[in-house]
Amino acid sequence: DVKVTQSSRYLVKRTGEKVFLECVQDMDHENMFWYRQDPGLGLRLIYFSYDVKMKEKGDIPEGYSVSREKKERFSLILESASTNQTSMYLCASSLWGASSNQPQHFGDGTRLSIL
Amino acid sequence: SQQGEEDPQALSIQEGENATMNCSYKTSINNLQWYRQNSGRGLVHLILIRSNEREKHSGRLRVTLDTSKKSSSLLITASRAADTASYFCATPDDKIIFGKGTRLHILP
Repeated sequence: DVKVTQSSRYLVKRTGEKVFLECVQDMDHENMFWYRQDPGLGLRLIYFSYDVKMKEKGDIPEGYSVSREKKERFSLILESASTNQTSMYLCASSLWGASSNQPQHFGDGTRLSIL
Repeated sequence: SQQGEEDPQALSIQEGENATMNCSYKTSINNLQWYRQNSGRGLVHLILIRSNEREKHSGRLRVTLDTSKKSSSLLITASRAADTASYFCATPDDKIIFGKGTRLHILP
């Protein structure tokens, strides 16, 4: 079974802090994704990566950056956290190929609160 | 860019009844996926149906796809309390786009 592990289930940070969210997958998947999920807005794609050191902006990349130095790990960085970044963050991975044709495997999410 | 849209937004049924959720989308697709999300957890992939398929089964799940109407339905038969969750359809653009989901509540 594919396992996608997010480093924290709950996280509380302060405005202006630099925040790191870590995600690791154990199935040698090429594609990895970061989403945020907010009530009434559904899942919105922040960034995705289709290979090591490669990244593509999603629908809402502003205020975020990512890092993929190793195939199994994809990090989401909030450069200077703001209260409007309080949300549930979900990491996912999928096999190579057009990402829209592959099932995605999700971690359990990190509920991030910015005070 | 919003693609799939689920209907209804919320559904409550008695345990043992069948639950049907629908998804409508706007542009041509080559596949459509359904996911489940239990409260406070990540999404779990349920079924992928390709555009040349009309129906697909997995256990108590039945998915249909009507490309002429640009719609899909997810049927859960003989519902159980454990089926209480949100269900999302996902349609491809250059990447997968998720709908906002149907919240299903199974009453004991």
